[in-house]
Amino acid sequence: KQEVTQIPAALSVPEGEDLVLNCSFTDSAIYNLQWFRQDPGKGLTSLLLIQSSQREQTSGRLNASLDKSSGRSTLYIAASQPGDSATYLCAVANAGGTSYGKLTFGQGTILTVHP
Amino acid sequence: EPEVTQTPSHQVTQMGQEVILRCVPISNHLYFYWYRQILGQKVEFLVSFYNNEISEKSEIFDDQFSVERPDGSNFTLKIRSTKLEDSAMYFCASSARAAGGSRGSYNEQFFGPGTRLTVL
Repeated sequence: KQEVTQIPAALSVPEGEDLVLNCSFTDSAIYNLQWFRQDPGKGLTSLLLIQSSQREQTSGRLNASLDKSSGRSTLYIAASQPGDSATYLCAVANAGGTSYGKLTFGQGTILTVHP
Repeated sequence: EPEVTQTPSHQVTQMGQEVILRCVPISNHLYFYWYRQILGQKVEFLVSFYNNEISEKSEIFDDQFSVERPDGSNFTLKIRSTKLEDSAMYFCASSARAAGGSRGSYNEQFFGPGTRLTVL
């Protein structure tokens, strides 16, 4: 059974700092990995999708990497801003069987960027 | 930009009552999903739906739950007899393609804003 873990559980940084969020998964048989942002009481906003054959994806100040064989992904945020404060979720789409894209989520990292 | 919408945003019901949560997926998407998030816990998969039938469901999705695509735009989740433990945020998601066997970002899942279900 796939398990997804995110470290750290919470992170507080001053504005302008670069930071890294970590995600690990136990079963490397995945189709893809998605990073989401969740604001309090709100829905999930997709940030980046990495296919299993890819090593990294970039969008603006965000860069996500994937090492499928070791079951790890990182989300790098450059020059953090207070508006980046949110919970960041990692989710993997499990491969095999009749899976049509069921996502297994980590518990999230709560990021606070203070001015 | 196309987005997934959900109604209502908040539903309060009495234990044992039936509720229907509604979703309008992105119009050209073919795969639809329901997830839920109990307060303070992980987002959990409930069910996926393709070609007018359930393609996968979790252990949570028992006989009390059902899904339907009653027309070309809506996707609904019905809970027949709600329990206290059904209180959660319910998210609908859709994707153009399923994960696996496709290229590009077509299998990216897009989520709606959620319906907060409170069972009293």
